[in-house]
Amino acid sequence: RKEVEQDPGPFNVPEGATVAFNCTYSNSASQSFFWYRQDCRKEPKLLMSVYSSGNEDGRFTAQLNRASQYISLLIRDSKLSDSATYLCVVPLTGKLIFGQGTTLQVKP
Amino acid sequence: IAGITQAPTSQILAAGRRMTLRCTQDMRHNAMYWYRQDLGLGLRLIHYSNTAGTTGKGEVPDGYSVSRANTDDFPLTLASAVPSQTSVYFCASSDSAGGAVGGYTFGSGTRLTVV
Repeated sequence: RKEVEQDPGPFNVPEGATVAFNCTYSNSASQSFFWYRQDCRKEPKLLMSVYSSGNEDGRFTAQLNRASQYISLLIRDSKLSDSATYLCVVPLTGKLIFGQGTTLQVKP
Repeated sequence: IAGITQAPTSQILAAGRRMTLRCTQDMRHNAMYWYRQDLGLGLRLIHYSNTAGTTGKGEVPDGYSVSRANTDDFPLTLASAVPSQTSVYFCASSDSAGGAVGGYTFGSGTRLTVV
């Protein structure tokens, strides 16, 4: 099993839709998790941190399921500006391991 | 504005030439990292430094070297560039070693083409 796995997509959704991405991780001892957003040809930027069962910030909700070792990111009321690649990030052996990302395209 | 500065923004380099990518942060973060990002391969760690004066190898260190003489600077050197080193290079930093608390802050990247 890879350390961090994501469905690369792309997920093509209309404006206003709700979309969810899942990410699975292999290290059951990981305590904190992150979602990063990366726009084309730009640097990754921290979107959300998840230290317990979940976190919510406006239209974005991150949930953690430790038993099944997955993290999800839910985006409600999608905007055109949400189009980007979303990276799931998990700490492992003193480093952050980045998933390859899930690409979201929000269409008008 | 506090953050990480990378230079140059982009560079075309002849194979065999030596090149140093610069990275400077003003957040007084202890740890710094160099990643390369290639299509289909995601972000791969090249080298890291948990504190000034120490460095370590990441997933893909061959052909690269780093130094950490002080807290702020973490240059990445390609001793003799090869075309397979064509990539986008990101420098990152974190307050805590490993970034488990707070994650990483990234620089805007250096786009390197080796011809």
